[in-house]
Amino acid sequence: EAGVVQSPRYKIIEKKQPVAFWCNPISGHNTLYWYRQNLGQGPELLIRYENEEAVDDSQLPKDRFSAERLKGVDSTLKIQPAELGDSAVYLCASRRGLEQFFGPGTRLTVL
Amino acid sequence: DQQVKQNSPSLSVQEGRISILNCDYTNSMFDYFLWYKKYPAEGPTFLISISSIKDKNEDGRFTVFLNKSAKHLSLHIVPSQPGDSAVYFCAASDPAGANNLFFGTGTRLTVIP
Repeated sequence: EAGVVQSPRYKIIEKKQPVAFWCNPISGHNTLYWYRQNLGQGPELLIRYENEEAVDDSQLPKDRFSAERLKGVDSTLKIQPAELGDSAVYLCASRRGLEQFFGPGTRLTVL
Repeated sequence: DQQVKQNSPSLSVQEGRISILNCDYTNSMFDYFLWYKKYPAEGPTFLISISSIKDKNEDGRFTVFLNKSAKHLSLHIVPSQPGDSAVYFCAASDPAGANNLFFGTGTRLTVIP
């Protein structure tokens, strides 16, 4: 079984620039999550999808962050414009039962 | 407000000895607890879990203990091996929150050969 795929693995941008992250979950997993992990912290939920519907986006900073999962499979998380404080690892996960399976993450550095 | 806490940021253990990682939580509604292991430049990997109706779950060298009255769980690794060196995250699932996971801040385990 292939794992959760994320790209790019690393991204360096200047502040105020846009950036996008892509995630392909494990086949058959209908629930998809985006997390942000700051240095020295645990992952924090940004948004949860059930198929193509965003059912929990209460922690997503909607002024600059957006996400989509148009066909209920892969998903894109976008930041526009990026700020210095957005530097973090962005993790995607999909769920089977009560267990979540994580991708390798995208490490974003905003200069 | 941190609902899941791991108060030890790091732990060093000799190879072959027992590693004990601790986790405390505040939300009594959590009904499922998980431990994840994370190597550098990789995503967290599921290690072991326990339901709130149990007080112990064992899988090979890994055992998780749950004390609901104290809102405390621990992960025991026996015997510890150098390959166990990683960051360990405790996570809790909230059924009222559609089983979203709440993570602790992690404990970095170093197993010394």
